[in-house]
Amino acid sequence: SAVISQKPSRDICQRGTSLTIQCQVDSQVTMMFWYRQQPGQSLTLIATANQGSEATYESGFVIDKFPISRPNLTFSTLTVSNMSPEDSSIYLCSAPRDGTGGNEQFFGPGTRLTVL
Amino acid sequence: GQSLEQPSEVTAVEGAIVQINCTYQTSGFYGLSWYQQHDGGAPTFLSYNALDGLEETGRFSSFLSRSDSYGYLLLQELQMKDSASYFCAVRTGANNLFFGTGTRLTVIP
Repeated sequence: SAVISQKPSRDICQRGTSLTIQCQVDSQVTMMFWYRQQPGQSLTLIATANQGSEATYESGFVIDKFPISRPNLTFSTLTVSNMSPEDSSIYLCSAPRDGTGGNEQFFGPGTRLTVL
Repeated sequence: GQSLEQPSEVTAVEGAIVQINCTYQTSGFYGLSWYQQHDGGAPTFLSYNALDGLEETGRFSSFLSRSDSYGYLLLQELQMKDSASYFCAVRTGANNLFFGTGTRLTVIP
């Protein structure tokens, strides 16, 4: 089973600033995903981080607001840019478990972001 | 648009059986997954159904009917530690997961 870690675990930021969240997987994975989850709400996919190519963003999310890096097969970052209080949320990264064809995903512990 | 509907809350007694339903309407369908999430924790994978029928894994079972766009998660011999949120999720693409609204299960003594 893959283990996924995220840093920071939580942060409180001022509006207008940016925060970069790091996601580390303990094994090589082809794809990594970034989700947003409001407390008590469902998970919404932000984008798929592809190694060696640009991230693929879901409807409603744009690269200028959520730039993503994927420098290798075990690491990705998500930046939340020019933050506003509406960006307050939990941000999670995930990766498919090998051998499941993408049917099973492991999730990191999440980054709880509060924007003042 | 895409939607996955689940009951928002369910309460059940320890030792009992509970069923959490999920109806979906999505643009693509590869299969239906279930995830458990404790408060403050990460979602953890429970099951995946690509074909119609019942899949059993210990105390948990998951059912899918593709013709009805419907599935459910069945939890047997409920334990206090099963109190958590449960999400159904449809795999709509190669790796994309579209999550349902979530069901908060409370197990009472």
